[in-house]
Amino acid sequence: NAGVTQTPKFRILKIGQSMTLQCAQDMNHNYMYWYRQDPGMGLKLIYYSVGAGITDKGEVPNGYNVSRSTTEDFPLRLELAAPSQTSVYFCASRLDRTKDGYTFGSGTRLTVV
Amino acid sequence: KNQVEQSPQSLIILEGKNCTLQCNYTVSPFSNLRWYKQDTGRGPVSLTIMTFSENTKSNGRYTATLDADTKQSSLHITASQLSDSASYICVVPSGGTYKYIFGTGTRLKVLA
Repeated sequence: NAGVTQTPKFRILKIGQSMTLQCAQDMNHNYMYWYRQDPGMGLKLIYYSVGAGITDKGEVPNGYNVSRSTTEDFPLRLELAAPSQTSVYFCASRLDRTKDGYTFGSGTRLTVV
Repeated sequence: KNQVEQSPQSLIILEGKNCTLQCNYTVSPFSNLRWYKQDTGRGPVSLTIMTFSENTKSNGRYTATLDADTKQSSLHITASQLSDSASYICVVPSGGTYKYIFGTGTRLKVLA
């Protein structure tokens, strides 16, 4: 199993540009999450999904959008990138809410200049 | 306010030595606490989970303890190896589907 796959690994964006961070899992997990990790801070939840067609906001959703058209994929869209969105983004999944352990992807390091 | 605090922020030890990392939480109600290891440039990987009724749990050279009365957990690493160099993150669910509170982590560096 590949687990959770994130692409790209690195990206530099100019202010105002848009991009999509890709996340795919092959474990048939229902729950998927997007977190951002800033230096010296704990992971903060951006958006989550409990199944295909269902998404909801986390703690820091402003400036982001998501979709969940399939169980496997959970892309994160950044519109009008801002320097404050410079961070490392992690996608995670788990089977359901009774299984507390996340499986994380390896992250996408995004810099907005 | 529900919080998870970890100490120390960073730690440097020599290979072969033991160390203990601390996690204090104020989350209520409490159900479980999980320790993750995050290698540089990688996503966190679960080491162990402590439920309310558990006091001690071992996973190889890693031993986690939990004191639900004082709301403290520790992660003890025995006979450290260079590969233990990583950040160790304490995570506690705070009710709801998504409300997991992540500590800021302890960055451990093991020197040869």
